[in-house]
Amino acid sequence: GAGVSQSPSNKVTEKGKDVELRCDPISGHTALYWYRQSLGQGLEFLIYFQGNSAPDKSGLPSDRFSAERTGGSVSTLTIQRTQQEDSAVYLCASSSPPLAGGETQYFGPGTRLLVL
Amino acid sequence: AQSVTQLDSQVPVFEEAPVELRCNYSSSVSVYLFWYVQYPNQGLQLLLKYLSGSTLVKSINGFEAEFNKSQTSFHLRKPSVHISDTAEYFCAVNPLGYQKVTFGTGTKLQVIP
Repeated sequence: GAGVSQSPSNKVTEKGKDVELRCDPISGHTALYWYRQSLGQGLEFLIYFQGNSAPDKSGLPSDRFSAERTGGSVSTLTIQRTQQEDSAVYLCASSSPPLAGGETQYFGPGTRLLVL
Repeated sequence: AQSVTQLDSQVPVFEEAPVELRCNYSSSVSVYLFWYVQYPNQGLQLLLKYLSGSTLVKSINGFEAEFNKSQTSFHLRKPSVHISDTAEYFCAVNPLGYQKVTFGTGTKLQVIP
């Protein structure tokens, strides 16, 4: 399929462990977003990548969270020393140019993270 | 900075009854507005959006939303709901010229047979 894919779909980890979440955006989409969806909290913006520009990291909740995007395509969200409050569904979305605002975001199915 | 308020976390409604899901926003600049829908066990997908022009926008499945600049609202309505409309609905705002989108906390629409 040509949609946004994320892996793994589910991840169970122990408190204190590091986790990596992967996102493959739609081919040709230069903008990529990470969100966190917690019960009753809606979608919380984490980070935004646009082409080769510096990412907007203003939503990352702590320095335990980081993300990178290699080759302008695949992105990895890393959470170090996981805490129980990190348990949530992590969503990735991508959108296409012209990127003047108003573009539709296409979401992946999410990664459900459970920290024990 | 911008924000989105969806006051109703859950809205139960009987099948074939009308429904309105409320969305209010605040922004210091002009905005684009969106409604996204998340069906059970599925990802988010765009339902409709307002960019410019007519303030009334419609989706293919009978929903419509009207941009009201004076009241800073973008309420979602449907005159007659179906069981298949059961989902969570998210309002979102995007300042003109920027790509960052702010989402509301979502409204769960439960259609009762």
